[in-house]
Amino acid sequence: GQQVMQIPQYQHVQEGEDFTTYCNSSTTLSNIQWYKQRPGGHPVFLIQLVKSGEVKKQKRLTFQFGEAKKNSSLHITATQTTDVGTYFCGGGSQGNLIFGKGTKLSVKP
Amino acid sequence: GAVVSQHPSWVICKSGTSVKIECRSLDFQATTMFWYRQFPKQSLMLMATSNEGSKATYEQGVEKDKFLINHASLTLSTLTVTSAHPEDSSFYICSATQRGVSDTQYFGPGTRLTVL
Repeated sequence: GQQVMQIPQYQHVQEGEDFTTYCNSSTTLSNIQWYKQRPGGHPVFLIQLVKSGEVKKQKRLTFQFGEAKKNSSLHITATQTTDVGTYFCGGGSQGNLIFGKGTKLSVKP
Repeated sequence: GAVVSQHPSWVICKSGTSVKIECRSLDFQATTMFWYRQFPKQSLMLMATSNEGSKATYEQGVEKDKFLINHASLTLSTLTVTSAHPEDSSFYICSATQRGVSDTQYFGPGTRLTVL
């Protein structure tokens, strides 16, 4: 069946350093969505990418959708302690989302 | 906008009892609701998809008779864990979406179930 792989599983950075998480699907996706889950919280929608090669920015966050619509990345520039949490990608196919295992980001002040 | 609530936020019950969890879309009509289960430090595992007015579609390995899902209206879906056992203890999260409008899933705050 369809699988969505996400790496790395964990990332520890010093505040101010950049951070990137990668998402790869075994099949072509109709869209990809990114969510952030704070410790003890629930996933909160960040963004959806639909077009091949699409790049979207939200302040310090940059999201990319691959040309083949099978991979995506989330890049955070100059991390802050408020960026702490687990970032999940969800690959959209036939109306459902298949989530990656998430990347847990910790930021040392 | 796009707020989803879940009730209760946490529940502790005895083994063998049934627990009902409600998921409501507060400011939009949710044509489709999803139920996920999340184990500690793990990803979201889709349990079932429910469309308003029809039977839920369960993922492989999820027992239909154990996890009863009802999506009676465009704003409410319920998950009932029947005859709960300790291994059912988990974090259950619902999400809602408006098919045909957007594929974005809006998540509820989750329900922490502990079965003693």
